[in-house]
Amino acid sequence: QVQLVQSGAEVKKPGAPVKISCKTSGYTFTRHYMNWVRQAPGQGPEWMGVIDPSGGRTKYAQKFQGSITMTSDSSTSTFYLELSGLSAEDTAIYFCARRKDGSNYFDYWGQGTLVTVSS
Amino acid sequence: EIVMTQSPATLSVSPGESATLSCRASQSINTNVAWYQQKPGQAPSLIIYGASSRASGIPARFSGSGSGTEFSLTISSLQSEDFAVYYCLQVITWPYTFGQGTKLEIK
Repeated sequence: QVQLVQSGAEVKKPGAPVKISCKTSGYTFTRHYMNWVRQAPGQGPEWMGVIDPSGGRTKYAQKFQGSITMTSDSSTSTFYLELSGLSAEDTAIYFCARRKDGSNYFDYWGQGTLVTVSS
Repeated sequence: EIVMTQSPATLSVSPGESATLSCRASQSINTNVAWYQQKPGQAPSLIIYGASSRASGIPARFSGSGSGTEFSLTISSLQSEDFAVYYCLQVITWPYTFGQGTKLEIK
């Protein structure tokens, strides 16, 4: 069965970077793009961007251009989201969400990674 | 950026009754909309995609409709497990955008 397992919670100081992982299993890694979505406390989800694992091509929401990097590693079937220059406003749960075959919808989600930014 | 506006923010309904949630897009998105259910402490879960297609394993009491800018999700004969927050999502153009959610609560 399809599984997306994310890395554990992180606590970071303002200005620090963080790298979150999303390890996949149960499907062909290169067949499905992976999206990253974040959800601040009490807020709706927010799409951050998407990566094509077959070539590494990415598309980021303009809001996050320059502050995020999405990568993938086919040898371990793992996706990564790196955020730089964290601020308190980046405190949120970060989800990876697989693109559904033949569409742009998100069918499987990771369990989420809480990133807390606090001095 | 396409803005997705959901209404109402909170909907109180008794078990066994029906509920209709609305989502409006700031410009036409044809039928490129999905609905997600989110329970506390969990990731969102796909309910409806393509405006009206049920995702795998979703019971028939969930139905979606609409096209262009107006969409709705109807849940008939509400069960206890249906009380959650529901989000709509447009995927016609980047950046993909979610609505702010409708909390469906027990009356």
